[in-house]
Amino acid sequence: SQQGEEDPQALSIQEGENATMNCSYKTSINNLQWYRQNSGRGLVHLILIRSNEREKHSGRLRVTLDTSKKSSSLLITASRAADTASYFCATDDGGSNYKLTFGKGTLLTVNP
Amino acid sequence: NAGVTQTPKFRVLKTGQSMTLLCAQDMNHEYMYWYRQDPGMGLRLIHYSVGEGTTAKGEVPDGYNVSRLKKQNFLLGLESAAPSQTSVYFCASRLAGPTYEQYFGPGTRLTVT
Repeated sequence: SQQGEEDPQALSIQEGENATMNCSYKTSINNLQWYRQNSGRGLVHLILIRSNEREKHSGRLRVTLDTSKKSSSLLITASRAADTASYFCATDDGGSNYKLTFGKGTLLTVNP
Repeated sequence: NAGVTQTPKFRVLKTGQSMTLLCAQDMNHEYMYWYRQDPGMGLRLIHYSVGEGTTAKGEVPDGYNVSRLKKQNFLLGLESAAPSQTSVYFCASRLAGPTYEQYFGPGTRLTVT
């Protein structure tokens, strides 16, 4: 069963604009991670935010986590055509097997 | 450092045939995972391993078997392929510990006719 649900399913913006994707989940977590997948490729880890963190930055990426609402958002600032990809949130419930449960993803298209 | 590699990249099987997908990692990771990705479904965990000689079932294990005889390799087997197993299969690995990310292979696209 999917733990995370991304919203929107698809997002189309112009280069230079900001892109915001949201993720909601159902159960308590140890951390939440965001991954990017370019078409036809494997997933690449972007950023990890622990359950006791509220905000984290990495380059043009900003992630927030609200554990009371069981939600997270990923903001990509000043987007580029190369940011076109699918973005997935994944939750780690803290079990000893470190399994991730992925959402269905947001397809981001950045138009030049 | 090749990271996580998968063999083969593409495969077409007929219903009832068998095959093995190979995942190899050179990062000395303890944990390895097999996922399948279907359109609109995200990634679903098939089986995983927490160390050499161990395997465990994930969310969708039926129709698949796995083995981890060597730490660096994780094999996914389909004994009798079915059209429902048409999918893209991804392998991933990670270090042991609570805040590490998973590293993914490039995927194997499998079609069962």
